[in-house]
Amino acid sequence: DAGITQSPRHKVTETGTPVTLRCHQTENHRYMYWYRQDPGHGLRLIHYSYGVKDTDKGEVSDGYSVSRSKTEDFLLTLESATSSQTSVYFCAIKRQGRDSPLHFGNGTRLTVT
Amino acid sequence: KNEVEQSPQNLTAQEGEFITINCSYSVGISALHWLQQHPGGGIVSLFMLSSGKKKHGRLIATINIQEKHSSLHITASHPRDSAVYICAAQGGSEKLVFGKGTKLTVNP
Repeated sequence: DAGITQSPRHKVTETGTPVTLRCHQTENHRYMYWYRQDPGHGLRLIHYSYGVKDTDKGEVSDGYSVSRSKTEDFLLTLESATSSQTSVYFCAIKRQGRDSPLHFGNGTRLTVT
Repeated sequence: KNEVEQSPQNLTAQEGEFITINCSYSVGISALHWLQQHPGGGIVSLFMLSSGKKKHGRLIATINIQEKHSSLHITASHPRDSAVYICAAQGGSEKLVFGKGTKLTVNP
């Protein structure tokens, strides 16, 4: 299995507090992604990274920021959490190319009360 | 923007049945991914394909580029195949667009 770890696995936080989720890989893959998964929506891209300090927005990026200062770490920050950000968050990694599969972390279940 | 549609949304089968899940996308792609997610579990990659057909055990994935359509088949289905199956279309930018998933339940 690809070495990809998400932390924390579960988090409960209050509205208005900042939250940071961490994705760590040991595979040296170039691409890293943050998705959220909600009932009825499937997986939606929040942000992705195509290299150190190179990031771009996905379809649901409002309220989220990311940073990638090292190849192995991709951080997702909710600056001021809202109840609409209650979700399961998945990180994924990928090498470049159409023959490269996606490898997912185990997910972080975030509840904003 | 690529739209990815899966059908059916839900599928219930008896053990041993042949299963087909369909995926259609709206614009050209570089690859099509099939993923599996067990209840409460993580997401694993089953197949990536850009043409033709791939087989792994009892699972077969096919793609028709001209028709922008892919299918995932499961032969001799088993209760352990119960999961959500997700297709995802990969464009040239390495970004993927996901379908909403097909929830498969295989009863013994």
